[in-house]
Amino acid sequence: NAGVMQNPRHLVRRRGQEARLRCSPMKGHSHVYWYRQLPEEGLKFMVYLQKENIIDESGMPKERFSAEFPKEGPSILRIQQVVRGDSAAYFCASSPGGTVYGYTFGSGTRLTVV
Amino acid sequence: SQQGEEDPQALSIQEGENATMNCSYKTSINNLQWYRQNSGRGLVHLILIRSNEREKHSGRLRVTLDTSKKSSSLLITASRAADTASYFCATDAGNSGGSNYKLTFGKGTLLTVNP
Repeated sequence: NAGVMQNPRHLVRRRGQEARLRCSPMKGHSHVYWYRQLPEEGLKFMVYLQKENIIDESGMPKERFSAEFPKEGPSILRIQQVVRGDSAAYFCASSPGGTVYGYTFGSGTRLTVV
Repeated sequence: SQQGEEDPQALSIQEGENATMNCSYKTSINNLQWYRQNSGRGLVHLILIRSNEREKHSGRLRVTLDTSKKSSSLLITASRAADTASYFCATDAGNSGGSNYKLTFGKGTLLTVNP
């Protein structure tokens, strides 16, 4: 069991470009959560998805951010027209069910916007 | 203070000593969890304690929960240099609409264990 896989580990984008972050949950996990960690901060919830459904996106910025978890393939967090303030570590976690029994987190994608 | 706020912000100890970190929160919870994050890495789940539990052990870790004070502590006994990391507590939303999947993290305690 490879755990939660995120790629890329590091991503550099120029302002205005698009960033795509991928997350493959643990085998058997159908629930995916995205969190963002700004420098010197704790993680902040962004979005919760199940296969083909967004369950809760209350932590997502209203513009430029979107997430999906298709029937096949990894979950994708997409940031359009990135700005410097988007620079952060983005973590994905998965669980077998929708309640919290200790997430398994991936190693994160560190996005740097230059 | 924020939900899930750790104290102290930084702690430096010698190998073999015990390390205690505290977490305070504001709202009712179902569970409280502790995570470890090594520099530049992802989070590793350490231990989960439910709101009806008062103490839990896992190896060298001991977690206590006081729901009347809305606080928790993480004790690492006989610390090792490899324990050097940031430690975060995370709480769920309690019974607010059943959204207990949404964790709220504090800013963490940076623990340095000197060899």
